[in-house]
Amino acid sequence: NAGVTQTPKFQVLKTGQSMTLQCAQDMNHEYMSWYRQDPGMGLRLIHYSVGAGITDQGEVPNGYNVSRSTTEDFPLRLLSAAPSQTSVYFCASSLTPLGSPLHFGNGTRLTVT
Amino acid sequence: EDKVVQSPLSLVVHEGDTVTLNCSYEVTNFRSLLWYKQEKKAPTFLFMLTSSGIEKKSGRLSSILDKKELFSILNITATQTGDSAVYLCAVERGETSGSRLTFGEGTQLTVNP
Repeated sequence: NAGVTQTPKFQVLKTGQSMTLQCAQDMNHEYMSWYRQDPGMGLRLIHYSVGAGITDQGEVPNGYNVSRSTTEDFPLRLLSAAPSQTSVYFCASSLTPLGSPLHFGNGTRLTVT
Repeated sequence: EDKVVQSPLSLVVHEGDTVTLNCSYEVTNFRSLLWYKQEKKAPTFLFMLTSSGIEKKSGRLSSILDKKELFSILNITATQTGDSAVYLCAVERGETSGSRLTFGEGTQLTVNP
């Protein structure tokens, strides 16, 4: 019962570096999403996907790219890291785009110096 | 803009106490309200509420939604130290595009022995 798996758990980047946060789910969920969690701001949606080949922007998409080539995987790319992207990142999936609860991964703590 | 406000932001109680956490919301095209518990890592799903006045219950936890007054409460009776966590409220809009879920900041509950 893996559920939603995120890697890495921790990452430190220098300003300007790029990296990819990995997310995989084994529950055959249609919907996948990326959130960032910052103190005092709650969870904010970065990008989401309602199925393979379909992605769209959430509330705070700038500086991030996503793709969904398979149902299982939904990687998040940071193009050129900035200190403002220091955060905890959660990947979450649900069976359907509406009406079913999100299941979260364990998060990636990213620090950009 | 959708809005979810949780109160209090933090709460410290003793084991055995009963607590009530509040969540008020403003959202266009409301579909459901969800409660999550977040310990060190991933938020875990507690309840999804769609109908007004119907209590959802799981052990010592219960929740109810008031769609007229636009709020929900989460009750925890006979609290235990294992209930210490951040409790997140989220509201779901009834559409597949845009930010599907809006989260509140969370209530940090600490239960002391």
